Amino acid sequence: DIQMTQSPSSLSASVGDRVTITCQATQDIVNSLNWYQQKPGKAPRLLISDASNLEPGVPARISGSGFGTDFSFTINSLQPEDAATYYCQQYDDLPITFGQGTRLEIK
Amino acid sequence: QLQLQESGPGLVKPSETLSLTCTVSGGSMSSNSHYWSWIRQPPGKGLEWIGDVFYTAKIYYNPSLRSRVTMSMDTSKNQFSLKVNSVTAADTAVFFCARRRRAAAGRGGFDYWGQGTLVTVSS
Repeated sequence: DIQMTQSPSSLSASVGDRVTITCQATQDIVNSLNWYQQKPGKAPRLLISDASNLEPGVPARISGSGFGTDFSFTINSLQPEDAATYYCQQYDDLPITFGQGTRLEIK
Repeated sequence: QLQLQESGPGLVKPSETLSLTCTVSGGSMSSNSHYWSWIRQPPGKGLEWIGDVFYTAKIYYNPSLRSRVTMSMDTSKNQFSLKVNSVTAADTAVFFCARRRRAAAGRGGFDYWGQGTLVTVSS
């Protein structure tokens, strides 16, 4: 199985800040990497597909980059509604696997 | 607008079989661009992919659960189902059904999700 490791596991930032989450795969997954946002009691929401493609309706202050084994997810100008847990997910090979999640707290 | 809705018992006894159904509305399951998936999330923990079913009835399972899981689909009812046998407390989780885009048909990713249903394994 391809293991996905996210860093950090949690972080706290203020409104207006820029935050970055990283995701590392145990083998080359090309750009087969998606990012999700999950709020308590809700289903995950797909934010970015194929490492860097913003999904419709997702604000442009969110972005993703990376290729191969190392990926990053960035939120610029942090807003209160960004408080959530974020997951990366690879689909280069089965089984599909997720990172362990990064909990983002807004101060 | 596509919608997915999980249904099934919220409480299952240890050693018994967990059975869930996902009903898809607002679109057809007979698409060669999508898989129909089950994902679970134990309370306070991360996401685990259980498996996918394709409209041709081809099924892909997570090897970690393969020996206990059965998935199926009924395109005439726009439903797909999950069974997990010999459950233990470790199977207690929120179960989500979701639609996964085939990378070959465009972008990948689980783009539509059900709201999730909590299944507790307890006597």
